Amino acid sequence: EAEVAQSPRYKITEKSQAVAFWCDPISGHATLYWYRQILGQGPELLVQFQDESVVDDSQLPKDRFSAERLKGVDSTLKIQPAELGDSAMYLCASSSLAGLAYEQYFGPGTRLTVT
Amino acid sequence: GENVEQHPSTLSVQEGDSAVIKCTYSDSASNYFPWYKQELGKGPQLIIDIRSNVGEKKDQRIAVTLNKTAKHFSLHITETQPEDSAVYFCAANFGNEKLTFGTGTRLTIIP
Repeated sequence: EAEVAQSPRYKITEKSQAVAFWCDPISGHATLYWYRQILGQGPELLVQFQDESVVDDSQLPKDRFSAERLKGVDSTLKIQPAELGDSAMYLCASSSLAGLAYEQYFGPGTRLTVT
Repeated sequence: GENVEQHPSTLSVQEGDSAVIKCTYSDSASNYFPWYKQELGKGPQLIIDIRSNVGEKKDQRIAVTLNKTAKHFSLHITETQPEDSAVYFCAANFGNEKLTFGTGTRLTIIP
């Protein structure tokens, strides 16, 4: 069964350092999402890609967060500099049907701890 | 605005009994309502979804019902088993493929 891959699974970093997360969506899925999930809450969308283009980044803190999907396949989410409040689970999801809220499949996530 | 409310936040049921989780949404234009199960340390797993042209959908022990007039939908799990213990999230789309999630329900099955 095809799955969304994410790495690393866990990351501990000091505040003011840079950190990057990687996501490889299910093969053939054109839409890719990055979510942030704070402990005890539901996922919140940070950025959505359709192929290599950003569709929605309205909730992405652009002063410190950046995301790219250069070839329309895998994607990287970066935080620079990291702040204590960035500690959370960062989830990647992908879906196959553009233009519809179709089935989104999540990866295992990256648990970030900022000290 | 875009809002999904989910109740209860915690739920404990005896093994074999049924569990029901309810969600309400704010946008009458929403037409897609998935449910996710999240186990500790893992990403959310899509377990069932329903679209606005359907009132009910079943998959073995899991069912979802949708009341578009009242803008609420529910997850029903029958004959609960210990492996059903997890956090469950409902979600709804708002005008496009963006999903807004509820705050989650921690379900505990008591053996």
